[in-house]
Amino acid sequence: AQSVTQLGSHVSVSEGALVLLRCNYSSSVPPYLFWYVQYPNQGLQLLLKYTTGATLVKGINGFEAEFKKSETSFHLTKPSAHMSDAAEYFCAVSDRTYNTDKLIFGTGTRLQVFP
Amino acid sequence: DGGITQSPKYLFRKEGQNVTLSCEQNLNHDAMYWYRQDPGQGLRLIYYSQIVNDFQKGDIAEGYSVSREKKESFPLTVTSAQKNPTAFYLCASSYGTAYYEQYFGPGTRLTVT
Repeated sequence: AQSVTQLGSHVSVSEGALVLLRCNYSSSVPPYLFWYVQYPNQGLQLLLKYTTGATLVKGINGFEAEFKKSETSFHLTKPSAHMSDAAEYFCAVSDRTYNTDKLIFGTGTRLQVFP
Repeated sequence: DGGITQSPKYLFRKEGQNVTLSCEQNLNHDAMYWYRQDPGQGLRLIYYSQIVNDFQKGDIAEGYSVSREKKESFPLTVTSAQKNPTAFYLCASSYGTAYYEQYFGPGTRLTVT
């Protein structure tokens, strides 16, 4: 069965510093992977996704993630944090085991950005 | 503009009352989902529907019910049997295959006292 682990429920960085949010997955089939962002009291917004092809995926707001099959990882990065990046970030994997389109979410990482 | 609407944004109920949360989409998506979000627990799937007049239980369906009579609408009823209903509820929709992402509504915060 598929599962997702996000290491670190809280990450704090200074404005301008590198952002690295970690996501590891478990999947018995080639995974489809997603990163979503959630601002307080709002729904989730897709940042980027990996399905097939190029393993380095670029998303909105300057974020990118690299699919590493050997490490079963899909870490999210941004070279330079901005105050507006403060939010909660969720990694998710499609549950393709039974040919459904359910998403399995990690428990989230809250990013704080300090001036 | 295409999107998903959830209403109301905030909902207050007394314990023992059933309450229905609305979810409407105009994205022409086949699949719709309901999630519950609690602090530190991520999103947990309550129910999902891949086609009109059909739906399946998710991981935490007890105490909830849904209907899917129209493609655009997927209301969620929180019944009095749900032991801890206070939470943030999110509705989502998609084209219905694993390849496509889910689009989320703005959420409804339900408080039961």
